[in-house]
Amino acid sequence: GDSVTQMEGPVTLSEEAFLTINCTYTATGYPSLFWYVQYPGEGLQLLLKATKADDKGSNKGFEATYRKETTSFHLEKGSVQVSDSAVYFCALSVNDMRFGAGTRLTVKP
Amino acid sequence: GAGVSQSPSNKVTEKGKDVELRCDPISGHTALYWYRQSLGQGLEFLIYFQGNSAPDKSGLPSDRFSAERTGGSVSTLTIQRTQQEDSAVYLCASSLGPGRLYEQYFGPGTRLTVT
Repeated sequence: GDSVTQMEGPVTLSEEAFLTINCTYTATGYPSLFWYVQYPGEGLQLLLKATKADDKGSNKGFEATYRKETTSFHLEKGSVQVSDSAVYFCALSVNDMRFGAGTRLTVKP
Repeated sequence: GAGVSQSPSNKVTEKGKDVELRCDPISGHTALYWYRQSLGQGLEFLIYFQGNSAPDKSGLPSDRFSAERTGGSVSTLTIQRTQQEDSAVYLCASSLGPGRLYEQYFGPGTRLTVT
């Protein structure tokens, strides 16, 4: 079945550090790929998405590129801020949506 | 405009009781999804509706769980004879349509505690 595997956390970084959260997927069809974010005390919200191979999704300084050859969709940000502290979920969708386990990021000043 | 709403926001119930969780999707969204998020865990897919039909019920953890959707709008997730392992946050999401091209919008969730 369809599934997502993402880097286990928690991840702790200093402000302005480079962030990578790895995500790989297995899908029977041609999925769209997503990163969702859950800030403390808030609901899940879409961070970025890509719907076909080689597409790059970007938002708020975060980027992820849909790599079909490696079945990956790694999340990156060049310089994290304290306000980026949250739980990040990688997800894929063919019909319904399947989520990874989530990675908790803490950014310290 | 209004987002996805869920009620109640918190529910504490005794083991063995039945509970009903409600989801109001965004107006015009034909697809509706239920997920469960247990403490420290990711999101577990439960069921999705396209209109009033549920093409995929494979995620429901047991026959104590059921869901319905009426009028292509409001959905209710019912858990019968609740168990302590049912304690979790139950999330509802809706989208314009099913499938890979549509973003899902999430509600704030219902935190269920079974004592």
